[in-house]
Amino acid sequence: DTEVTQTPKHLVMGMTNKKSLKCEQHMGHRAMYWYKQKAKKPPELMFVYSYEKLSINESVPSRFSPECPNSSLLNLHLHALQPEDSALYLCASSRLAGGNEQFFGPGTRLTVL
Amino acid sequence: AQSVTQPDIHITVSEGASLELRCNYSYGATPYLFWYVQSPGQGLQLLLKYFSGDTLVQGIKGFEAEFKRSQSSFNLRKPSVHWSDAAEYFCAVGAGTYKYIFGTGTRLKVLA
Repeated sequence: DTEVTQTPKHLVMGMTNKKSLKCEQHMGHRAMYWYKQKAKKPPELMFVYSYEKLSINESVPSRFSPECPNSSLLNLHLHALQPEDSALYLCASSRLAGGNEQFFGPGTRLTVL
Repeated sequence: AQSVTQPDIHITVSEGASLELRCNYSYGATPYLFWYVQSPGQGLQLLLKYFSGDTLVQGIKGFEAEFKRSQSSFNLRKPSVHWSDAAEYFCAVGAGTYKYIFGTGTRLKVLA
């Protein structure tokens, strides 16, 4: 299985809602990533988990809360988002040796009203 | 400073024509280099990668890229473009264990 899956595909939420994005991989990768991508821009790194521990937080606002329950799952909890947080949220995974090619999921299109 | 430059924001080619997308990088060490493709509203798909060894690397979908250290370039090529190749293409440098430095992307349009 060489796939990263993400659910849901689309999400619309109000600024007072709480929602979660889910990412799953079964490639045995021990690094998992969250990216945010705005239209016509490259992805921007948000968080990196290595061996289920948070390794990198790129100064992301606390209204985004990541969680890595196990080596295959990555969640992104959303609360009190702003309209400018509307974007495509991408999950990725990679090995931790022999190069760091990242495998991306299809993304969740988030719209904040 | 570490950076990746994709000089062409948009490129339009006719179906069946050859394609070259440019990528220049600035990185202190020997780079890990990647090309990704992204169709609208989709995730990024890895086309090919360069870590070391042969400077001409073959990828999926008939793409290849050549690493030229002297020019700090990693250009992507395809001899004959198909309409389904229309997409956004990102060049990236692996900057450490986890981080990528992405170029700004090149949007490819294919004319029938």
